Amino acid sequence: QLQLVQSGAEVKNPGSSAKVSCKASGGTLGNYGFGWIRQAPGQGLEWMGGIIPRFDATDYAQKFKGRVMITADTSTNTVYLEFNSLTSDDTALYFCARWGQGFDIWGHGTLVTVSS
Amino acid sequence: QSALTQPASVSGSPGQSITISCTGTSYDIGSYNLVSWYQQHSGKVPKIIIFGVSERPSGISSRFSGSKSGVTASLTISALQAEDEADYYCCSYAGTLRIFGGGTKLTVL
Repeated sequence: QLQLVQSGAEVKNPGSSAKVSCKASGGTLGNYGFGWIRQAPGQGLEWMGGIIPRFDATDYAQKFKGRVMITADTSTNTVYLEFNSLTSDDTALYFCARWGQGFDIWGHGTLVTVSS
Repeated sequence: QSALTQPASVSGSPGQSITISCTGTSYDIGSYNLVSWYQQHSGKVPKIIIFGVSERPSGISSRFSGSKSGVTASLTISALQAEDEADYYCCSYAGTLRIFGGGTKLTVL
């Protein structure tokens, strides 16, 4: 059974960058798409963007275009989320999830805290 | 790319049925049969309970059902149980993008 294993929690200074990883365990990335979804404290789910690793095709929510980059390494079955110019509003739990006809497999989430 | 519209909260007693609505536009729910629903218990990872508007993943109770009419999708939970108390989110495909609803908190009285 495929599992998505995400990197550990991070504390970042305002204005810095962060890179979160999501590794497929027990399988490969295959032909699926993968999305990054964030959840600020006490808030709802927000789709940031996604990638189809086989085709290296990416899409981003308008809100994150230019500030977020999603990449994948098919040799290590890992998807990455990198975002820059961090502010306190970026403090959130970041999930990666596989897209079938819905987000059917989720990672455990990575907490990114932006604080000086 | 506005969030889909869900009621902030709904409630019901054990054994009753409730329905959560999710309203979008002709660019998302109205154009694609790719609406999914997620259940998230406090402090837990979201879990898919409906995909493709009305399909249930393996292992999901038949008490959960989904439907769509026009630009509005709905999730119905029948025979409410205490364990159903959670936050519920809808999500729609929107032409390479994905859009979530704001979430609905279900309270089982």
